[in-house]
Amino acid sequence: DAGITQSPRYKITETGRQVTLMCHQTWSHSYMFWYRQDLGHGLRLIYYSAAADITDKGEVPDGYVVSRSKTENFPLTLESATRSQTSVYFCASSEQRARYGYTFGSGTRLTVV
Amino acid sequence: ILNVEQSPQSLHVQEGDSTNFTCSFPSSNFYALHWYRWETAKSPEALFVMTLNGDEKKKGRISATLNTKEGYSYLYIKGSQPEDSATYLCAFISDSNYQLIWGAGTKLIIKP
Repeated sequence: DAGITQSPRYKITETGRQVTLMCHQTWSHSYMFWYRQDLGHGLRLIYYSAAADITDKGEVPDGYVVSRSKTENFPLTLESATRSQTSVYFCASSEQRARYGYTFGSGTRLTVV
Repeated sequence: ILNVEQSPQSLHVQEGDSTNFTCSFPSSNFYALHWYRWETAKSPEALFVMTLNGDEKKKGRISATLNTKEGYSYLYIKGSQPEDSATYLCAFISDSNYQLIWGAGTKLIIKP
């Protein structure tokens, strides 16, 4: 099915472990984004990508790594998870950075214990 | 620091009534404004992208207006229905870096 899919939907991991959240879109949108959503903060941009092999930091990039070897995939890796990274993570895509609406995935709820 | 404010924070509306709420943003360096609807336990869904001063957009019973000179946008819902219950987010984009600056949202609850 066409769309943007995130996996897993839920993840519990231990402090210090590496964890990767997956994001896949089928529209060939140029832009992809990773946001985290925390109570009291709303949506905060972690990283974004304008095209394959082009990524850039957002508002809260520390502790995260992204890659985009293919247009359709934009995985987000937490290199050494910390409790402060417990959050709901949303991936989004768009044809263009600002003149088109963003399409969001269903989110991944990550708990770091 | 660019600030985007939405008011009110939350709103209870009787089913069938019409309502509106506000997104305030900087009046300089305007590039675009987005509106999203975010239902509980779902993901944000794009409603409108507005780019020109005086823009009016409509989608069913929901419409939005834009005033870039004074820095505000209104979202209107006509004849509210229970399925309109959601948080409505706006996001401002300036032409300096083209990143979305999100408001905190207006939580709308429709009472049957």
